[in-house]
Formats: sequence, C-alpha cells, structure tokens
Amino acid sequence: DGGITQSPKYLFRKEGQNVTLSCEQNLNHDAMYWYRQDPGQGLRLIYYSQIVNDFQKGDIAEGYSVSREKKESFPLTVTSAQKNPTAFYLCASSIASGGLGETQYFGPGTRLLVL
Amino acid sequence: AQSVAQPEDQVNVAEGNPLTVKCTYSVSGNPYLFWYVQYPNRGLQFLLKYITGDNLVKGSYGFEAEFNKSQTSFHLKKPSALVSDSALYFCAVSSGNAGNMLTFGGGTRLMVKP
Repeated sequence: DGGITQSPKYLFRKEGQNVTLSCEQNLNHDAMYWYRQDPGQGLRLIYYSQIVNDFQKGDIAEGYSVSREKKESFPLTVTSAQKNPTAFYLCASSIASGGLGETQYFGPGTRLLVL
Repeated sequence: AQSVAQPEDQVNVAEGNPLTVKCTYSVSGNPYLFWYVQYPNRGLQFLLKYITGDNLVKGSYGFEAEFNKSQTSFHLKKPSALVSDSALYFCAVSSGNAGNMLTFGGGTRLMVKP
C-alpha cells in the first residue's frame, strides 16, 4: 500500500448524513484518484485530480464530491444524494496523469456501511 | 471507449502447478496493460505492466504476463502456484487516447489448493 493512507478503515453512515473519507499520500505524486469497488465488480472511477485545485468527474460521480487543496490530500465526501453508498472505496495516486502508462498505486481502502 | 474482460470469475489450481489468469482488452490506440492483486479487505497491489517492448513482462512474486496484440490479450501466468497466491486479480488497461485513465476488468479469484 506504500505511501498512501486512507482513514478510517470502516465508516458508518446514517441516512441523510454526509461523510468524508480521507486520502493522504507522501509520494509527491501529482495525480490522485477515487474508485468504488462493489462485490463481484471491478473498480469504477468516481473522481480524479491531475493537479492541485483541479479535479474531474469520473464514470460515477453523482452523489460524491471532492476537493484538492493540497498536493498530498484528496478527500472524498459521500453526500446524502448517493442512495447506495455501501461499498469499498479505494484511493490511488500516480506520478502524473498526463504521462502514458503511469502506474497507479493504491491505498488500503475504506469500507463504508449504511446504518 | 476502452474495455477489459476477465472471462473467468474463479480459477482453481493445485499448489505447484502452473496458473493462468486470462485477460482480453479493447482500446483505440496503443494499449498500456496492468495486473494488480488484491487480498481480502486490502487495497490493490501492482504486479506488472506492459508499455512497449518485449511481449513477455516479468513482475513481482514470480508472476509474468504475455502481451499478444493480434489476440488483444494479456494473460497473467506463473510457473508454479503457491497457496499464498490465492487472491483476487485485476487486469486494467489505459491508452494514449484516454490519458492515464484505467479501465478495470471484473476481477478473477484465484484459489490455490494444497
């Protein structure tokens, strides 16, 4: 899992509540990503950021929001608009988003459960 | 659009036997192909990637993968499986047309039995 940390490991959300997942990296990577993993499915991209103060929607951005105020940090907020948030959330980073074939390195993940 | 198919949900192999986990892809442009492994409740660990050059790529823990352009495949292989290789394996692809955005296959569960 290298120099990428995610917290908490488990997170419980009540109906109507917004929750924020933390992702921090000390790899000096420019690009960061958030993925959602559901059982029996591959990873789906929620948001990505190529540089500080800039981010783009991925394939399933509805009900989620992000910020990128610092190079090291890319928090993900799961809003009350996300009706089915139960999943395993993975953060990743790579040296640069524009570079071709750059390896993405993943954090240990946060499991979000709905109460 | 780019896509990845892992046709087998699960692969069973006996310890000491060779293993193959299959992956086929579809991209426009040159493909960049990756294999990752995931242990229960953990993040993905990078195993190997193909960018260009030799079609046979060697990676971590004795794994290798063969790029076959004509068959659009990138199968993961290991000559002798270990029980500790049991995990979930993901193939992923990116291309120059999609920047560094990865598209993942659905994953293949590898079960190595003693």
